[in-house]
Amino acid sequence: NAGVTQTPKFQVLKTGQSMTLQCAQDMNHNSMYWYRQDPGMGLRLIYYSASEGTTDKGEVPNGYNVSRLNKREFSLRLESAAPSQTSVYFCASSEADTERTGELFFGEGSRLTVL
Amino acid sequence: GDSVTQMEGPVTLSEEAFLTINCTYTATGYPSLFWYVQYPGEGLQLLLKATKADDKGSNKGFEATYRKETTSFHLEKGSVQVSDSAVYFCALSSHYGGRRALTFGSGTRLQVQP
Repeated sequence: NAGVTQTPKFQVLKTGQSMTLQCAQDMNHNSMYWYRQDPGMGLRLIYYSASEGTTDKGEVPNGYNVSRLNKREFSLRLESAAPSQTSVYFCASSEADTERTGELFFGEGSRLTVL
Repeated sequence: GDSVTQMEGPVTLSEEAFLTINCTYTATGYPSLFWYVQYPGEGLQLLLKATKADDKGSNKGFEATYRKETTSFHLEKGSVQVSDSAVYFCALSSHYGGRRALTFGSGTRLQVQP
């Protein structure tokens, strides 16, 4: 049972470099999400995708782009990394974007450090 | 906008002690409420949920009651174990541009000592 798989698990970047975080889920879920986790601030929503072909901004989208490549995959791209983007990134998925959105299934996280 | 406030941690308890982690929220309408748990080195996983006022969510000995009058969803457990050591997040379902996603609190770290 793979669930939600994120790669890479660790990455160190220099300021200005670009990178893409990959996420794939094998649960046939419609909705996928990217969150960042910072000390004392909990998880904040970066972008989400309610279905294949759609993406929407969350609370902190600046400096990021996303692609919902197909139903399984949802990638997060940093075009020009900044130290403020040092964080742990979590991908998640859920069955549907319904009125009572319920359980999110999370990946193990990707720890990104920008020097 | 919607927000969730949790008590500061870490919370350090001895095994078999009673646990309360406070959570209050601000939201429009009547959101669903959740508690998620994050064990070391892992992603978050759902612990329990409640979808309407006065509902009680429960799982693995943990309980939380949706209190609309006090806008609270406090997490309780009667007797904690070392294996309960983790970070606990309170969350609610929020609107983002017409759709819903989860808004999380800042998390409360629980350390249970033998």
